[in-house]
Amino acid sequence: SQQGEEDPQALSIQEGENATMNCSYKTSINNLQWYRQNSGRGLVHLILIRSNEREKHSGRLRVTLDTSKKSSSLLITASRAADTASYFCATDARHDMRFGAGTRLTVKP
Amino acid sequence: DAGVIQSPRHEVTEMGQEVTLRCKPISGHDYLFWYRQTMMRGLELLIYFNNNVPIDDSGMPEDRFSAKMPNASFSTLKIQPSEPRDSAVYFCASSLGGGETQYFGPGTRLLVL
Repeated sequence: SQQGEEDPQALSIQEGENATMNCSYKTSINNLQWYRQNSGRGLVHLILIRSNEREKHSGRLRVTLDTSKKSSSLLITASRAADTASYFCATDARHDMRFGAGTRLTVKP
Repeated sequence: DAGVIQSPRHEVTEMGQEVTLRCKPISGHDYLFWYRQTMMRGLELLIYFNNNVPIDDSGMPEDRFSAKMPNASFSTLKIQPSEPRDSAVYFCASSLGGGETQYFGPGTRLLVL
């Protein structure tokens, strides 16, 4: 069963703009992860943030976590056409991860 | 490391045939996951193993689906008999520890005619 829900379902922006995607979840977590999937490929891990962290950076990625609101956001700054992909949040559930339905990001050159 | 390896990459079969998907996890990882992805249902967890033992198979859709992990470096997902609604991309992933970063294979694209 899905745990995280991403919002929006689809996002289209121009190259150079920032892209923000949100994730909401229902139960308490130990960590939350963001993954990227290019069309026809497997998911690739982007970043993991633990429940005691509020913000984490990795290159052009910035992830925030608000456990009181059970939500997370992924910000991609200065987007590039190569960032076009689907982005999924995943929350831990005992031993496995539960993935949301994803946000489809299109970055126009 | 070569990452998670899946075979075949593509499979086209006829309804009623047996299909076997294979996965080699990253060496040293103790968790292995099988997922199915379709446009309609998104990414679904089918089953996962810890130290070669199936832990949760509640996502396996029907008795037609079975999965095994005879050793730490190999797992299979079998569909017998296959049906057109089984058409999907099947992913295998592995991780070191439960709830930790998962590394996905390239997937097997299955088409059942």
